[in-house]
Amino acid sequence: DVKVTQSSRYLVKRTGEKVFLECVQDMDHENMFWYRQDPGLGLRLIYFSYDVKMKEKGDIPEGYSVSREKKERFSLILESASTNQTSMYLCASRDPGQGSGSYNSPLHFGNGTRLTVT
Amino acid sequence: GNSVTQMEGPVTLSEEAFLTINCTYTATGYPSLFWYVQYPGEGLQLLLKATKADDKGSNKGFEATYRKETTSFHLEKGSVQVSDSAVYFCALKRGGSEKLVFGKGMKLTVNP
Repeated sequence: DVKVTQSSRYLVKRTGEKVFLECVQDMDHENMFWYRQDPGLGLRLIYFSYDVKMKEKGDIPEGYSVSREKKERFSLILESASTNQTSMYLCASRDPGQGSGSYNSPLHFGNGTRLTVT
Repeated sequence: GNSVTQMEGPVTLSEEAFLTINCTYTATGYPSLFWYVQYPGEGLQLLLKATKADDKGSNKGFEATYRKETTSFHLEKGSVQVSDSAVYFCALKRGGSEKLVFGKGMKLTVNP
């Protein structure tokens, strides 16, 4: 079974702090994603990466950056945390694979990090 | 742009009741459609999917049919259980894109 592990379940940070959210997957997946989940807004894509050192902006990248130095690890960085970044953050990975069946292979999610910025 | 509209709830049902969660989409081309489920305290996991018109996805007693003419992918289950209590997300993935676009999610509570 694919395992996506997020390093913290709960995190409380102060406004202005630099925050690192870490995510590790154990299935050698090429693609990794960071979403935030907010009530009434669903999931929104922040950034994704399709290879080491490669990254693409999602729908709401402002205020965030990412790092992917190794294939299994994808970090989300809040350069200067603000209260409007209080949210549940979900990491996911996917194997794009090869062949027609792999195109719609599922996302595998971690259990999430609930970040509170005070 | 691509978007998904689904019932938001929350919805509370009694065990063995019939469940329908409506989902409609707007997309260019021919997207693939998904239902993901999030059990309490967990991340999302794929429930079922359909990749072309008239396909039916099914899993754990849930079903959804890809209806291109009505741009819908409604989720149904004939008899819900307490263990089905979760948040359900409809999603689409357009060809050529890695992005999965999610609906806002619907929280279902099933009481004994």
